[in-house]
Amino acid sequence: GNSVTQMEGPVTLSEEAFLTINCTYTATGYPSLFWYVQYPGEGLQLLLKATKADDKGSNKGFEATYRKETTSFHLEKGSVQVSDSAVYFCALSERGYSTLTFGKGTMLLVSP
Amino acid sequence: DAGVIQSPRHEVTEMGQEVTLRCKPISGHDYLFWYRQTMMRGLELLIYFNNNVPIDDSGMPEDRFSAKMPNASFSTLKIQPSEPRDSAVYFCASSSDGVYEQYFGPGTRLTVT
Repeated sequence: GNSVTQMEGPVTLSEEAFLTINCTYTATGYPSLFWYVQYPGEGLQLLLKATKADDKGSNKGFEATYRKETTSFHLEKGSVQVSDSAVYFCALSERGYSTLTFGKGTMLLVSP
Repeated sequence: DAGVIQSPRHEVTEMGQEVTLRCKPISGHDYLFWYRQTMMRGLELLIYFNNNVPIDDSGMPEDRFSAKMPNASFSTLKIQPSEPRDSAVYFCASSSDGVYEQYFGPGTRLTVT
């Protein structure tokens, strides 16, 4: 079956530091990949997505590249802000299926 | 657009009581999903609907859980009887295409004592 593995958190950074959150996946087919973000007390919201190999998804300074050879979709940001503190979920969807498989989430804490 | 609306936002109940969670999806969205989030198990898909029809309920933990979608603008998730291990945050999400972007509601935090 499909699965998504994320690095465990929390990830603790100072403002303006570089962020990487690792995500690898297992899928039987050729999935689409997503990063969702959950701010405290809220539901998840889509941050970025990539639908084919070598695609780069980007939004709000975050980016992730679909790497088929390493089955990875690592999230990066060059300079984090306190307002980026949240839980980040990597997810995949197989073609032809209407559901998402989520990783367990990685909490990011950014201090001033 | 108001987004996905869930009610109540918080529910505290005693073991054995019936609990009903409610969701109003975004207008025009054909897919509706119910998730449960806990620290131990993360985010789990319980059931999803397409055009008001349940498509996959394999994630529903047991017969105590049931979900309905009587029309395109309303869905319920019912737990009867509730147990302490049902304590979690329950999210409803809707989507226009089922996959590329799901819009989540703010969640209902359920505590069963």
